[in-house]
Amino acid sequence: GAGVSQSPSNKVTEKGKDVELRCDPISGHTALYWYRQRLGQGLEFLIYFQGNSAPDKSGLPSDRFSAERTGESVSTLTIQRTQQEDSAVYLCASRTGQATNEKLFFGSGTQLSVL
Amino acid sequence: AQSVTQLDSQVPVFEEAPVELRCNYSSSVSVYLFWYVQYPNQGLQLLLKYLSGSTLVKGINGFEAEFNKSQTSFHLRKPSVHISDTAEYFCAVTQNTGNQFYFGTGTSLTVIP
Repeated sequence: GAGVSQSPSNKVTEKGKDVELRCDPISGHTALYWYRQRLGQGLEFLIYFQGNSAPDKSGLPSDRFSAERTGESVSTLTIQRTQQEDSAVYLCASRTGQATNEKLFFGSGTQLSVL
Repeated sequence: AQSVTQLDSQVPVFEEAPVELRCNYSSSVSVYLFWYVQYPNQGLQLLLKYLSGSTLVKGINGFEAEFNKSQTSFHLRKPSVHISDTAEYFCAVTQNTGNQFYFGTGTSLTVIP
């Protein structure tokens, strides 16, 4: 596609439920990032995928959070047993991965609200 | 690991006045610097970037930033702001030794008519 696509754009869930967020990166982009943006705060790194290498999971806040990516395509971020503090905008970004000085292309995010 | 500091969380400024949004980072070893802008209800988009060469870089919408290695800063400036510049601005740093992007906490610029 023309840009990074995220779905759903909005998700309201009850505390304790599992949610799955989806990211479609730009075609050909091997590098994919997930960030969390809480209201009024900056971007918090969650996880990074680069091609078929082992992902960098150092930013995942707890074992309730996990993410997968098959090859260089779609990625899903799963949050199990959601808590109210998980409420945030979850942003996905991608880049070609050919150079470390490339810019990131961001999706519009998924607004997650945990009631 | 890098850290990025944006000291000003909110900056109100009158229309047509100049503005400077500050950004400092922790290490100047082979860094690449970026400013992203997030307009209300929109995704982040690149404003400008410094990779190498001239320390003064120009971006979209009349913004510019200057890389200062000795002060480890990359402040964003615009000589005359417009109402449409009201947005959240994020400074980001990456290094040539890795793929991690480090973002600041953002500065909310509000242009007052």
